[in-house]
Amino acid sequence: KNEVEQSPQNLTAQEGEFITINCSYSVGISALHWLQQHPGGGIVSLFMLSSGKKKHGRLIATINIQEKHSSLHITASHPRDSAVYICAVYSGGGADGLTFGKGTHLIIQP
Amino acid sequence: DADVTQTPRNRITKTGKRIMLECSQTKGHDRMYWYRQDPGLGLRLIYYSFDVKDINKGEISDGYSVSRQAQAKFSLSLESAIPNQTALYFCATSLGFDYGYTFGSGTRLTVV
Repeated sequence: KNEVEQSPQNLTAQEGEFITINCSYSVGISALHWLQQHPGGGIVSLFMLSSGKKKHGRLIATINIQEKHSSLHITASHPRDSAVYICAVYSGGGADGLTFGKGTHLIIQP
Repeated sequence: DADVTQTPRNRITKTGKRIMLECSQTKGHDRMYWYRQDPGLGLRLIYYSFDVKDINKGEISDGYSVSRQAQAKFSLSLESAIPNQTALYFCATSLGFDYGYTFGSGTRLTVV
């Protein structure tokens, strides 16, 4: 079973700061997802990665397959970025969905 | 309308009661999932289905059952609810592992 670890667990930063959230996993994967969970509870898919780097607006996600590590970066952070960010991996070899990290709780203060 | 709709959004029920959580989707995805989220834990898979005739147990299926009534509908039942089933429940859909997942807004279930 893949173990997914996220760091930090909690992060408070000031508006405008560059944010980095890390995700490490123990077993080789077919795909990695970054998700955003809003304070109201809803979950939105941000990125799906199997290699390299993806960018959407102020969000950038990278993955290093050899090191079993991914990072999510937020540039020019804003209070509306405050949310829980969740890393999830699919290890293949079956059809049993994703293995999730516990999430990083991000607060951006104005 | 949301792509994946879960009903109810919130529910309080008593121990021993049977309760059904419903999920419907307009994405046209074959794969549907039920997850449970507890504070301090990652989401955990309860059941998943690849089509109407294919239903599989996930990591924590004990105490739960599911029904895939149609491609678009996937229901989760608690036959006899117990307090440690108090959690946030999510339905999700996907085209496959190398595609994105779409989540419902969640059902907050409290068993008293």
